[in-house]
Amino acid sequence: NAGVMQNPRHLVRRRGQEARLRCSPMKGHSHVYWYRQLPEEGLKFMVYLQKENIIDESGMPKERFSAEFPKEGPSILRIQQVVRGDSAAYFCASSQMRELHEQFFGPGTRLTVL
Amino acid sequence: AQTVTQSQPEMSVQEAETVTLSCTYDTSESDYYLFWYKQPPSRQMILVIRQEAYKQQNATENRFSVNFQKAAKSFSLKISDSQLGDAAMYFCAYYRGDKLTFGTGTRLAVRP
Repeated sequence: NAGVMQNPRHLVRRRGQEARLRCSPMKGHSHVYWYRQLPEEGLKFMVYLQKENIIDESGMPKERFSAEFPKEGPSILRIQQVVRGDSAAYFCASSQMRELHEQFFGPGTRLTVL
Repeated sequence: AQTVTQSQPEMSVQEAETVTLSCTYDTSESDYYLFWYKQPPSRQMILVIRQEAYKQQNATENRFSVNFQKAAKSFSLKISDSQLGDAAMYFCAYYRGDKLTFGTGTRLAVRP
């Protein structure tokens, strides 16, 4: 059973470009979470999605960031007009059921903004 | 808002010895979960151990055990018989309301 998949593993963008990060949850998991890890810091919650629904986006910056988890395909975290401060590792996690209270993490995408 | 504090940025332990990593948290809730995650240089987040707040018994997982003091809001991780492969960043995390709140981490070095 494959784990949580994220791609790309590394992404380099110039300021003003768009970044798209993809996350495929574990098989059978319908809950996806995105976290951001700035250098030398812990992970910070961004957004929680179920298929076609955003459940909690309290950690998402108000502008330039969006997330989706369509009925078919991976979850996408989209960052428009990237700035240097967006450079970070972005982790996706998935869970099978909300009640299990356990999230399985992907390997992360390291975004570098030049 | 919940906060998680790890007051030890770095720790070091001799191989085969025991080390304890500290974690405190702040919450007004009575029902929640606590986790320790390991992040090796590969950056993959690996679940080490979990504790349900309603359980008084401390969780154990092979060489890893916790000391959960609910009243003191303390959740420390003890690693026994430390191995070179234990070298990593360790994050304490609080779970409630569908989200994990992480501490800033403790970097553990294991001396051969």
